[in-house]
Amino acid sequence: GNSVTQMEGPVTLSEEAFLTINCTYTATGYPSLFWYVQYPGEGLQLLLKATKADDKGSNKGFEATYRKETTSFHLEKGSVQVSDSAVYFCALFTSGAGSYQLTFGKGTKLSVIP
Amino acid sequence: DVKVTQSSRYLVKRTGEKVFLECVQDMDHENMFWYRQDPGLGLRLIYFSYDVKMKEKGDIPEGYSVSREKKERFSLILESASTNQTSMYLCASSLLGLAGAYEQYFGPGTRLTVT
Repeated sequence: GNSVTQMEGPVTLSEEAFLTINCTYTATGYPSLFWYVQYPGEGLQLLLKATKADDKGSNKGFEATYRKETTSFHLEKGSVQVSDSAVYFCALFTSGAGSYQLTFGKGTKLSVIP
Repeated sequence: DVKVTQSSRYLVKRTGEKVFLECVQDMDHENMFWYRQDPGLGLRLIYFSYDVKMKEKGDIPEGYSVSREKKERFSLILESASTNQTSMYLCASSLLGLAGAYEQYFGPGTRLTVT
């Protein structure tokens, strides 16, 4: 079956530090990959996505590149802000034979301190 | 903007009560989903629906049922609430798509406590 493994948190960084949150996956076929973000007290919202190998998703200064050879989709940001404090979820989507599945990682909590 | 709303942000119920969690979306999406979110476990899919009156079990359907009588509304039912159902419940919706990536839009969540 499909699975997503994220680095465990919590992660605490100072403002303007470099962020990496690791995500690796196991899937059959050719999944699409996502990062979702959940700000305190809110539901999840899509941060970025990539649908095929070597695609780079980007949004709000965050980037992630779909690496098929290493089955990874690591999230990066060059300079984090306090407002980036949230829980980040890596997810993959697969479809086939009339069904589809969206699988989430367990989430990584990021706290950015001034 | 797509909006997914959930009937309550916080709910406290007693063991054995029947509990209804309501979710409404305003973008004419075919798919709707119910997840529960627990610390250290991430999101787990309970049920989803790809059309009115259609439902499919997710990863953890035991102790839950769902109802989709109208396209915009998807209800999660706890027939007899138990303390191990204390959790954050998230509803989501998306367009129907078997191929390619599609985005799920989430509601703000309902934090249910069963005492």
